[in-house]
Amino acid sequence: QKEVEQNSGPLSVPEGAIASLNCTYSDRGSQSFFWYRQYSGKSPELIMFIYSNGDKEDGRFTAQLNKASQYVSLLIRDSQPSDSATYLCAVNDYKLSFGAGTTVTVRA
Amino acid sequence: DTAVSQTPKYLVTQMGNDKSIKCEQNLGHDTMYWYKQDSKKFLKIMFSYNNKELIINETVPNRFSPKSPDKAHLNLHINSLELGDSAVYFCASSQGTGYNSPLHFGNGTRLTVT
Repeated sequence: QKEVEQNSGPLSVPEGAIASLNCTYSDRGSQSFFWYRQYSGKSPELIMFIYSNGDKEDGRFTAQLNKASQYVSLLIRDSQPSDSATYLCAVNDYKLSFGAGTTVTVRA
Repeated sequence: DTAVSQTPKYLVTQMGNDKSIKCEQNLGHDTMYWYKQDSKKFLKIMFSYNNKELIINETVPNRFSPKSPDKAHLNLHINSLELGDSAVYFCASSQGTGYNSPLHFGNGTRLTVT
């Protein structure tokens, strides 16, 4: 079983819609969770991190964490064409492990 | 004022050669990493150093040898390059090794082995 799994996508959403990205992880002891955005040909950049169960909002982004279900998600509200990128879920136990990423395309 | 910088950006070489990638960070972070991103975009950790000490060494062929002369630098030397080594290699740094330390990535080095 992979340590971090994401819905493979690609995910295509119309401009202004909500994009929903999901991630599950295998290590129940994981304590911190990160979402990175990676544009094609660029390096990953941190969007959000979450440590506690529940929701965390930052602008148009909301991260949701459910440790009992070993599940973390990212919602992008009012999606813009500039949000088109690959989104990487990362989970920290003794190292930061990444999922394979979900590619999002926002249609204008 | 680049935070994490890697050189070179592109590296094209033939099988069997030896090459090095250099990384420097000016964030004052204690921990540095090498990640490999393959053609399917999967990012996998290779090594991590904390204050010049190796703390993570994943299952990587011993043709790969990291070196950290000080906590601001982490270099990667690769011997006897193989076709399967073609990938993008990212250097990253973080403040400490704690669970709450996000990574800051360099711009990557695209290695192509022919």
